[in-house]
Amino acid sequence: DAKTTQPNSMESNEEEPVHLPCNHSTISGTDYIHWYRQLPSQGPEYVIHGLTSNVNNRMASLAIAEDRKSSTLILHRATLRDAAVYYCILHNAGGTSYGKLTFGQGTILTVHP
Amino acid sequence: ETGVTQSPTHLIKTRGQQVTLRCSSQSGHNTVSWYQQALGQGPQFIFQYYREEENGRGNFPPRFSGLQFPNYSSELNVNALELDDSALYLCASSLDPGQGWYNEQFFGPGTRLTVL
Repeated sequence: DAKTTQPNSMESNEEEPVHLPCNHSTISGTDYIHWYRQLPSQGPEYVIHGLTSNVNNRMASLAIAEDRKSSTLILHRATLRDAAVYYCILHNAGGTSYGKLTFGQGTILTVHP
Repeated sequence: ETGVTQSPTHLIKTRGQQVTLRCSSQSGHNTVSWYQQALGQGPQFIFQYYREEENGRGNFPPRFSGLQFPNYSSELNVNALELDDSALYLCASSLDPGQGWYNEQFFGPGTRLTVL
């Protein structure tokens, strides 16, 4: 599996935007970029995914670099409920990954009131 | 729509014992994946079951085994427990794994296993 690199931790203030970076320099052409987050004492939950184009949904936006070697998860207005561990995951849709998600260490996001 | 549920919530076992963890998948989902999450680490893929058959396995020894039932619920069995098996065990359900472009996984809250 191609590897991702994320900062160990980041901090934000409530109601401010948060940009969570992820580097994936060995990404292949069929790798989708997925983001999951894990709130305290819960299982991970899906946030967003994309392949080449920037993506928006009700939770967040995903900005993907033109060379696809990096991406940024954007939370437009952080709330206290966004405090979680955020995982950037590459998933090869064309391979025999069996839907297996390979989680790294993730980024611990702290949101200050 | 019922989400993914897991039982029990917590479990304490001693080294050498066997344990069975249970997972009910989200309505309409036919695929279940199991993950192990050690404290402070990201989840690690154990295996996936699709239509009652194992459909991929991570780097875990054979004493980790599973079952999927006709209603798509699943069990994770761990034999000969070791201290390092202490972890949060997560199950995730999804639709067919071979859908090509994407299959979002819906995770349960996990079972916290402590091995003494």
